[in-house]
Amino acid sequence: QSVLTQPPSASGTPGQRVTISCSGSSPNIGSNTVNWYQQLPGTAPKLVIYSNNQRPSGVPDRFSGSKSGTSASLAISGLQSEDEGDYYCAAWDDSLNGRVFGGGTKLTVL
Amino acid sequence: QVQLQQSGPGLVKPSQTLSLTCAISGDSVSSKSAAWNWIRQSPSRGLEWLGRTYYRSKWYNNYAVSVKSRITINPDTSKNQFSLQLNSVTPEDTAVYYCAGEGSGETLDPWGQGTLVTVSS
Repeated sequence: QSVLTQPPSASGTPGQRVTISCSGSSPNIGSNTVNWYQQLPGTAPKLVIYSNNQRPSGVPDRFSGSKSGTSASLAISGLQSEDEGDYYCAAWDDSLNGRVFGGGTKLTVL
Repeated sequence: QVQLQQSGPGLVKPSQTLSLTCAISGDSVSSKSAAWNWIRQSPSRGLEWLGRTYYRSKWYNNYAVSVKSRITINPDTSKNQFSLQLNSVTPEDTAVYYCAGEGSGETLDPWGQGTLVTVSS
């Protein structure tokens, strides 16, 4: 069971907006920034959002992130078939003195 | 551009030691603004952070509680790489193992290509 909680699945049609949630607690999301990773089939995870709401160079502006209290969310607008994959949130946990991940959300583009 | 290249065996016998190496290009293992991580992924455990090493005038390590008694992550400055050793492995340690660099904002980027390690006799 993961320290950060994500819904196991999400879906949307092309062009739609989808939101993926990530719930934590005070020592992790409540005290530290959240990063989001995209994992396409057969590949290593790739950073898509850092420091709660920042996009690395090369990540489309269709991807956005937010954080409030002990929860965070990733939004993907203008959904495309190439967005289909698994998405993970992550944060440092001060009580565990280690990095924790969410269980991952499988995004399906219908 | 930083790149990471993993190497090591894909099959380890139960009770033995899992050893992997991650070679760094485009940065230094001794960088005072980076950290070097190991993460694993399995269907039963998802993504699991294992630990990291970093240099800030001296070397530091952080390890996940779940493997703390069995894990060692070491830098090798002569070869600009870092390694993972996990002792006393069981079939539950079967997973894809990744190395990853860590920059500002505790971001894991880039990642190595991943190595599937199977623990079996």
